[in-house]
Amino acid sequence: LAKTTQPISMDSYEGQEVNITCSHNNIATNDYITWYQQFPSQGPRFIIQGYKTKVTNEVASLFIPADRKSSTLSLPRVSLSDTAVYYCLVGVNTNAGKSTFGDGTTLTVKP
Amino acid sequence: DSGVTQTPKHLITATGQRVTLRCSPRSGDLSVYWYQQSLDQGLQFLIQYYNGEERAKGNILERFSAQQFPDLHSELNLSSLELGDSALYFCASSVSAYSYEQYFGPGTRLTVT
Repeated sequence: LAKTTQPISMDSYEGQEVNITCSHNNIATNDYITWYQQFPSQGPRFIIQGYKTKVTNEVASLFIPADRKSSTLSLPRVSLSDTAVYYCLVGVNTNAGKSTFGDGTTLTVKP
Repeated sequence: DSGVTQTPKHLITATGQRVTLRCSPRSGDLSVYWYQQSLDQGLQFLIQYYNGEERAKGNILERFSAQQFPDLHSELNLSSLELGDSALYFCASSVSAYSYEQYFGPGTRLTVT
């Protein structure tokens, strides 16, 4: 399982776009990149998953450069309700049963 | 609402006791995962079942055991409880055995006194 590094915390203001970067220098060829969001005392919520280039859904976008050694979760126009911990996971799907969530990034959105 | 249900929501028990946590996966999901989240350890994977069979094992203590039943619900049994077992226990489910796209339940908060 690839080791990931994320900022411990980030601050933003309502209406801004937030980009959270995750470093995964030892990502393997078959590894996917997955992001989760977790609010206090709630279970994590799947946000987005990607392998390369760009993936977009109704919640976020995921940008993955060609070397795949990092990825960026982009949240457009955040609101106070986006205040949460965001986790980056990297691994091959056959190891999904051993998901390692790490410490995540605590995003605080201010009014 | 993820579609995953967990009972009970809260559980308070004494050291040395045994408890059972229950999880019902999303309709159609065959895989169930159990996680433990405590303040000092973060979110730790415990064990995974797929269609009734154990698929992957993480940092699960020998005092803990789990199973998945034919109707696909799962139970996590915790015995000889210690103060350090106090934590949030999450269950997640996915369609396949190999998926990072997991859907988490609301969790069971266990307090051992």
